[in-house]
Amino acid sequence: RKEVEQDPGPFNVPEGATVAFNCTYSNSASQSFFWYRQDCRKEPKLLMSVYSSGNEDGRFTAQLNRASQYISLLIRDSKLSDSATYLCVVGSGNTGKLIFGQGTTLQVKP
Amino acid sequence: NAGVTQTPKFQVLKTGQSMTLQCAQDMNHEYMSWYRQDPGMGLRLIHYSVGAGITDQGEVPNGYNVSRSTTEDFPLRLLSAAPSQTSVYFCASAQSRSLYNEQFFGPGTRLTVL
Repeated sequence: RKEVEQDPGPFNVPEGATVAFNCTYSNSASQSFFWYRQDCRKEPKLLMSVYSSGNEDGRFTAQLNRASQYISLLIRDSKLSDSATYLCVVGSGNTGKLIFGQGTTLQVKP
Repeated sequence: NAGVTQTPKFQVLKTGQSMTLQCAQDMNHEYMSWYRQDPGMGLRLIHYSVGAGITDQGEVPNGYNVSRSTTEDFPLRLLSAAPSQTSVYFCASAQSRSLYNEQFFGPGTRLTVL
Protein backbone atom coordinates (compact mmCIF):
# COMPACT_ATOMS: atom_id res chain seq x y z
CA ARG A 1 0.00 0.00 0.00
CA LYS A 2 1.33 3.44 -0.90
CA GLU A 3 1.94 5.81 2.01
CA VAL A 4 -0.11 8.54 0.33
CA GLU A 5 -2.79 7.58 -2.16
CA GLN A 6 -4.77 9.72 -4.55
CA ASP A 7 -7.19 9.00 -7.35
CA PRO A 8 -5.11 9.97 -10.40
CA GLY A 9 -8.19 11.01 -12.39
CA PRO A 10 -8.35 12.78 -14.74
CA PHE A 11 -11.29 14.79 -13.48
CA ASN A 12 -12.93 16.59 -16.40
CA VAL A 13 -15.31 19.33 -15.25
CA PRO A 14 -16.98 22.35 -16.87
CA GLU A 15 -16.12 25.88 -15.86
CA GLY A 16 -18.01 26.91 -12.75
CA ALA A 17 -18.28 23.40 -11.36
CA THR A 18 -17.34 22.35 -7.85
CA VAL A 19 -14.87 19.50 -7.64
CA ALA A 20 -13.43 17.60 -4.69
CA PHE A 21 -10.30 15.52 -4.38
CA ASN A 22 -9.50 13.09 -1.62
CA CYS A 23 -6.23 11.69 -0.40
CA THR A 24 -5.53 8.98 2.17
CA TYR A 25 -2.35 8.44 4.16
CA SER A 26 -1.15 5.36 6.01
CA ASN A 27 1.08 6.75 8.78
CA SER A 28 -1.09 7.73 11.73
CA ALA A 29 1.85 9.68 13.22
CA SER A 30 1.95 12.11 10.27
CA GLN A 31 2.24 15.70 11.39
CA SER A 32 1.94 18.03 8.44
CA PHE A 33 -0.29 18.09 5.40
CA PHE A 34 -0.25 20.10 2.21
CA TRP A 35 -1.71 20.44 -1.23
CA TYR A 36 0.75 21.36 -3.98
CA ARG A 37 -0.18 22.28 -7.52
CA GLN A 38 1.86 21.18 -10.53
CA ASP A 39 1.24 22.59 -14.00
CA CYS A 40 2.18 20.48 -17.00
CA ARG A 41 5.96 20.02 -17.21
CA LYS A 42 6.55 22.53 -14.43
CA GLU A 43 7.69 22.33 -10.83
CA PRO A 44 5.27 21.78 -7.91
CA LYS A 45 4.21 24.87 -5.99
CA LEU A 46 2.51 25.10 -2.62
CA LEU A 47 -1.24 25.64 -2.94
CA MET A 48 -2.12 25.48 0.75
CA SER A 49 -1.29 23.86 4.03
CA VAL A 50 -3.99 21.75 5.65
CA TYR A 51 -4.89 22.25 9.29
CA SER A 52 -6.94 20.09 11.62
CA SER A 53 -9.61 22.76 11.86
CA GLY A 54 -9.88 23.02 8.10
CA ASN A 55 -8.89 26.10 6.15
CA GLU A 56 -10.07 28.13 3.22
CA ASP A 57 -8.29 30.30 0.69
CA GLY A 58 -10.68 31.94 -1.71
CA ARG A 59 -12.31 29.22 -3.81
CA PHE A 60 -10.19 26.50 -2.23
CA THR A 61 -11.06 24.64 0.98
CA ALA A 62 -8.86 21.99 2.55
CA GLN A 63 -9.88 19.62 5.31
CA LEU A 64 -8.09 17.03 7.40
CA ASN A 65 -9.69 14.02 9.08
CA ARG A 66 -7.08 12.47 11.36
CA ALA A 67 -9.35 9.69 12.59
CA SER A 68 -9.94 8.41 9.05
CA GLN A 69 -6.52 9.53 7.80
CA TYR A 70 -7.70 11.46 4.81
CA ILE A 71 -7.28 14.94 3.41
CA SER A 72 -9.60 16.67 1.00
CA LEU A 73 -9.44 19.63 -1.34
CA LEU A 74 -12.58 21.36 -2.58
CA ILE A 75 -12.46 23.78 -5.50
CA ARG A 76 -15.55 25.91 -6.04
CA ASP A 77 -16.43 27.82 -9.23
CA SER A 78 -13.69 26.11 -11.26
CA LYS A 79 -11.72 28.25 -13.69
CA LEU A 80 -9.86 27.17 -16.82
CA SER A 81 -6.68 28.21 -15.02
CA ASP A 82 -7.32 25.60 -12.32
CA SER A 83 -6.38 22.87 -14.81
CA ALA A 84 -3.34 21.20 -13.28
CA THR A 85 -2.24 18.22 -11.23
CA TYR A 86 -2.88 18.48 -7.49
CA LEU A 87 -0.40 16.71 -5.23
CA CYS A 88 -1.30 15.59 -1.73
CA VAL A 89 1.77 15.81 0.53
CA VAL A 90 2.24 14.44 4.04
CA GLY A 91 5.12 15.03 6.46
CA SER A 92 6.15 12.73 9.27
CA GLY A 93 9.24 12.04 11.37
CA ASN A 94 11.82 14.60 12.44
CA THR A 95 13.93 14.90 9.30
CA GLY A 96 11.72 17.09 7.13
CA LYS A 97 10.83 14.21 4.84
CA LEU A 98 7.68 14.71 2.85
CA ILE A 99 5.76 11.94 1.11
CA PHE A 100 4.04 12.89 -2.13
CA GLY A 101 0.98 11.30 -3.61
CA GLN A 102 1.02 10.58 -7.32
CA GLY A 103 -1.29 13.50 -7.99
CA THR A 104 -4.83 14.05 -9.26
CA THR A 105 -5.22 15.67 -12.67
CA LEU A 106 -7.96 18.25 -13.15
CA GLN A 107 -9.05 19.47 -16.56
CA VAL A 108 -11.53 22.35 -16.56
CA LYS A 109 -13.31 22.76 -19.88
CA PRO A 110 -15.10 25.84 -21.25
CA ASN B 1 15.77 36.50 -5.83
CA ALA B 2 16.19 33.76 -8.41
CA GLY B 3 14.84 31.16 -5.95
CA VAL B 4 15.96 27.62 -6.78
CA THR B 5 17.83 27.16 -10.04
CA GLN B 6 18.76 23.92 -11.77
CA THR B 7 21.01 23.13 -14.69
CA PRO B 8 20.81 21.64 -17.21
CA LYS B 9 17.12 21.68 -18.17
CA PHE B 10 17.52 18.64 -20.44
CA GLN B 11 20.19 15.96 -20.69
CA VAL B 12 20.65 12.75 -22.66
CA LEU B 13 23.22 10.25 -21.42
CA LYS B 14 24.41 6.86 -22.53
CA THR B 15 24.39 3.96 -20.12
CA GLY B 16 27.49 4.07 -17.93
CA GLN B 17 28.18 7.78 -18.29
CA SER B 18 28.40 9.98 -15.23
CA MET B 19 27.19 13.53 -14.77
CA THR B 20 26.31 16.14 -12.17
CA LEU B 21 22.98 17.92 -11.92
CA GLN B 22 23.45 21.38 -10.46
CA CYS B 23 21.15 23.02 -7.92
CA ALA B 24 21.50 26.39 -6.24
CA GLN B 25 19.29 28.57 -4.04
CA ASP B 26 19.68 32.18 -2.99
CA MET B 27 17.20 32.23 -0.10
CA ASN B 28 19.70 31.18 2.59
CA HIS B 29 17.68 28.01 3.20
CA GLU B 30 19.13 25.36 5.47
CA TYR B 31 17.26 22.41 4.00
CA MET B 32 17.77 21.15 0.46
CA SER B 33 16.64 17.96 -1.21
CA TRP B 34 16.54 16.08 -4.49
CA TYR B 35 13.48 14.26 -5.82
CA ARG B 36 12.78 12.25 -8.91
CA GLN B 37 9.36 12.15 -10.53
CA ASP B 38 8.22 9.21 -12.60
CA PRO B 39 4.79 8.62 -14.14
CA GLY B 40 2.34 7.15 -11.63
CA MET B 41 4.89 7.26 -8.79
CA GLY B 42 4.74 10.75 -7.34
CA LEU B 43 7.91 12.51 -6.26
CA ARG B 44 10.40 10.30 -4.43
CA LEU B 45 13.16 11.63 -2.19
CA ILE B 46 16.70 10.74 -3.30
CA HIS B 47 18.94 12.63 -0.85
CA TYR B 48 18.55 15.57 1.46
CA SER B 49 20.67 17.98 3.48
CA VAL B 50 19.81 19.85 6.67
CA GLY B 51 22.80 22.19 6.37
CA ALA B 52 26.25 22.67 4.88
CA GLY B 53 28.37 19.58 5.40
CA ILE B 54 25.41 17.35 6.32
CA THR B 55 23.68 14.97 3.91
CA ASP B 56 21.53 11.90 4.29
CA GLN B 57 19.76 9.33 2.17
CA GLY B 58 16.15 9.46 1.18
CA GLU B 59 13.86 6.79 -0.21
CA VAL B 60 15.76 5.98 -3.44
CA PRO B 61 19.47 6.88 -2.99
CA ASN B 62 21.13 4.07 -4.94
CA GLY B 63 23.18 5.26 -7.90
CA TYR B 64 23.33 8.86 -6.69
CA ASN B 65 25.76 10.90 -4.59
CA VAL B 66 25.39 14.37 -3.12
CA SER B 67 27.53 16.87 -1.26
CA ARG B 68 26.77 20.18 0.45
CA SER B 69 29.92 22.25 0.74
CA THR B 70 28.03 25.56 0.86
CA THR B 71 24.55 26.62 1.98
CA GLU B 72 23.68 27.64 -1.57
CA ASP B 73 24.67 24.59 -3.64
CA PHE B 74 23.52 20.98 -3.59
CA PRO B 75 24.73 19.03 -6.65
CA LEU B 76 23.48 15.54 -7.47
CA ARG B 77 25.93 13.14 -9.09
CA LEU B 78 24.95 10.14 -11.17
CA LEU B 79 27.85 7.73 -10.86
CA SER B 80 27.11 5.35 -13.75
CA ALA B 81 23.87 6.19 -15.52
CA ALA B 82 21.31 3.45 -16.12
CA PRO B 83 18.07 3.54 -18.16
CA SER B 84 16.14 3.19 -14.86
CA GLN B 85 17.40 6.67 -13.97
CA THR B 86 15.46 8.23 -16.83
CA SER B 87 13.24 10.67 -14.97
CA VAL B 88 12.53 14.29 -14.14
CA TYR B 89 14.70 15.51 -11.27
CA PHE B 90 13.62 18.32 -8.98
CA CYS B 91 15.73 20.10 -6.43
CA ALA B 92 13.91 21.76 -3.55
CA SER B 93 14.80 23.96 -0.61
CA ALA B 94 13.10 24.96 2.63
CA GLN B 95 13.95 27.34 5.44
CA SER B 96 14.68 24.45 7.81
CA ARG B 97 14.06 20.75 8.31
CA SER B 98 10.72 21.46 9.96
CA LEU B 99 7.90 19.46 8.41
CA TYR B 100 5.75 22.58 8.39
CA ASN B 101 7.88 24.63 6.00
CA GLU B 102 6.98 25.30 2.40
CA GLN B 103 9.26 23.55 -0.06
CA PHE B 104 10.43 25.65 -3.02
CA PHE B 105 11.21 23.65 -6.15
CA GLY B 106 13.53 24.33 -9.02
CA PRO B 107 12.27 24.03 -12.63
CA GLY B 108 13.54 20.46 -12.99
CA THR B 109 16.01 18.55 -15.14
CA ARG B 110 14.64 16.08 -17.68
CA LEU B 111 17.13 13.23 -17.98
CA THR B 112 17.05 10.45 -20.55
CA VAL B 113 19.47 7.53 -20.29
CA LEU B 114 19.82 5.46 -23.45
